[in-house]
Amino acid sequence: QSALTQPRSVSGSPGQSVTISCTGTSSDVGAYNFVSWYQQHPGKAPRLMIYDVNKRPSGVPDRFSGSKSGNTASLTISGLQAEDEADYYCCSYAGDYTYVVFGGGTKLTVL
Amino acid sequence: EVQLVESGGGLVQPGGSLRLSCTASGLTLTNHWMTWVRQAPGKGLEWVAYISPDGNTIHYLESVKGRFTISTNNAENSLSLQMDSLRAEDAAVYYCARLRSITTWDLWGQGTLVTVSS
Repeated sequence: QSALTQPRSVSGSPGQSVTISCTGTSSDVGAYNFVSWYQQHPGKAPRLMIYDVNKRPSGVPDRFSGSKSGNTASLTISGLQAEDEADYYCCSYAGDYTYVVFGGGTKLTVL
Repeated sequence: EVQLVESGGGLVQPGGSLRLSCTASGLTLTNHWMTWVRQAPGKGLEWVAYISPDGNTIHYLESVKGRFTISTNNAENSLSLQMDSLRAEDAAVYYCARLRSITTWDLWGQGTLVTVSS
């Protein structure tokens, strides 16, 4: 069982927006602004999409955005495209003992 | 091109050992914090260990403490993960990655598969 809770799956049609939630606790997501999101296509390595809650690395389309409220972080993908279909994982710093926790992953299907 | 390439995965019996390597090109590993992350078949990601650029600060996932050892080799520009007393639950694809901050891993290798089975 993962420390952070994500929906198992979400879906949307091309052009639509979807939001993936990531719920933790006051010891991880709620305590630190070290929340990242990773995209993973089948058989591939993860790719960093969002870091520090809402920052985008260079090369990541601005259709991807992140936010946080309390113990829940969110990844929003607007203007869905076929290539966005992938698994998405959130992770958070959880203090100087546990260090890093992940969500169980969300499968995004573009209909 | 900046890239990380893992090697050393394979089939090992429970209780056995394996040493994974992560070789860098286009960057000097000892200038960066590095990490190992694993993914069991069909499962999610799990952080395993960190090492600081000077090798003096190391952190491990609780379940691998005392069994796994992360290290860097300046001469070979490589990162290693020595895995001893392997268990079935350690079976996974192991990725090395570069840290920009504690949860910001911006460069990944392609992964190497570790299978633990008798």
